[in-house]
Amino acid sequence: DAGVIQSPRHEVTEMGQEVTLRCKPISGHNSLFWYRQTMMRGLELLIYFNNNVPIDDSGMPEDRFSAKMPNASFSTLKIQPSEPRDSAVYFCASSFQGADTQYFGPGTRLTVL
Amino acid sequence: TQLLEQSPQFLSIQEGENLTVYCNSSSVFSSLQWYRQEPGEGPVLLVTVVTGGEVKKLKRLTFQFGDARKDSSLHITAAQPGDTGLYLCAGEASGGYNKLIFGAGTRLAVHP
Repeated sequence: DAGVIQSPRHEVTEMGQEVTLRCKPISGHNSLFWYRQTMMRGLELLIYFNNNVPIDDSGMPEDRFSAKMPNASFSTLKIQPSEPRDSAVYFCASSFQGADTQYFGPGTRLTVL
Repeated sequence: TQLLEQSPQFLSIQEGENLTVYCNSSSVFSSLQWYRQEPGEGPVLLVTVVTGGEVKKLKRLTFQFGDARKDSSLHITAAQPGDTGLYLCAGEASGGYNKLIFGAGTRLAVHP
């Protein structure tokens, strides 16, 4: 079975541009998590969804960040406008509610110049 | 605020040595998990400990959950180069939905 799929794997953009990261969770999983990982701050939870509904977005750094989950098989994380400090690896993870394992995607490495 | 502190941050050892990584908090967690992350990949779950005092073994890796469920340790016996990676502990936060709080990680390098 395919694991969590993220695209693109790498994104290089210029400051001020809009960036959209995509995630396809594992089929049948009903919880989806977006994380950001940097050397300085480690792995930070940005937002998570349960049954396509955002449950907690307290980790979203500011209004420039937004996330959607229009259906059970797709989610996006958008940054508009992007800034150099947004450079990081962004991970998507999914799990089945009630189970203790989160399955992570391979991540999107974002570089904002 | 629930926080997890990991130590050491970095560890560089020779093949065959033993090591222990620590994960500490002032908060009680219902469960703690350990993940390993290799370069260019996402973290992968190694183990979940749930009961205070619990000890779990995974080949050469031994995981322990503190009696008070505030701390955990990972011990690796006879480390091998394949053990190289970033080891992350994560606690299940209050509020349900399997929300996890991650420690900053221990970056382990095992040299042949």
